[in-house]
Amino acid sequence: GENVEQHPSTLSVQEGDSAVIKCTYSDSASNYFPWYKQELGKGPQLIIDIRSNVGEKKDQRIAVTLNKTAKHFSLHITETQPEDSAVYFCAASKGGSQGNLIFGKGTKLSVKP
Amino acid sequence: NAGVTQTPKFQVLKTGQSMTLQCAQDMNHEYMSWYRQDPGMGLRLIHYSVGAGITDQGEVPNGYNVSRSTTEDFPLRLLSAAPSQTSVYFCASKVAGAVDTQYFGPGTRLTVL
Repeated sequence: GENVEQHPSTLSVQEGDSAVIKCTYSDSASNYFPWYKQELGKGPQLIIDIRSNVGEKKDQRIAVTLNKTAKHFSLHITETQPEDSAVYFCAASKGGSQGNLIFGKGTKLSVKP
Repeated sequence: NAGVTQTPKFQVLKTGQSMTLQCAQDMNHEYMSWYRQDPGMGLRLIHYSVGAGITDQGEVPNGYNVSRSTTEDFPLRLLSAAPSQTSVYFCASKVAGAVDTQYFGPGTRLTVL
């Protein structure tokens, strides 16, 4: 089945710097790649997603890139702010009748003021 | 819309006790799922359902039962709790058959002594 690897497990940056989190997936049939942000004591919340027919997607300070050939995708956060501190999860799905998500193990991002 | 709601928020059980974690959504989503989140393990799929009367196993189904009698509700049952089931449990929902956003509830923190 699908396996999603996520790196790094922890990431510390200074406010204003950029942060990059990388994920690789194993199943070439996967076609949907969402990123979730989880704040302490809360459920994961979708922040951006990308489908396999697109190479890059941007939403203000957040961008995601996808390399289907290499089977990896990345989350880029620019001009980081303390409120970006959270755990970020990548996931992959093959869609279809279930569309089950397989998650990476998460990255704890700390943004130091 | 309340979105995805879960009760209770916290629960402590003794080994061998049974309980039901409740999940409800008011978005008319056909697909609902249960995940457990353990430190360093990300989110792992327990069971899912693509509609009323239809359920299936995910990655870690042992020790858990589910049923889906209505579109809105998807309870998770622990028949005989074990310490290995100490975890945070998240329910999620989305439109079935679509590569689409999966919405998560706030979670239930369960401790089994």
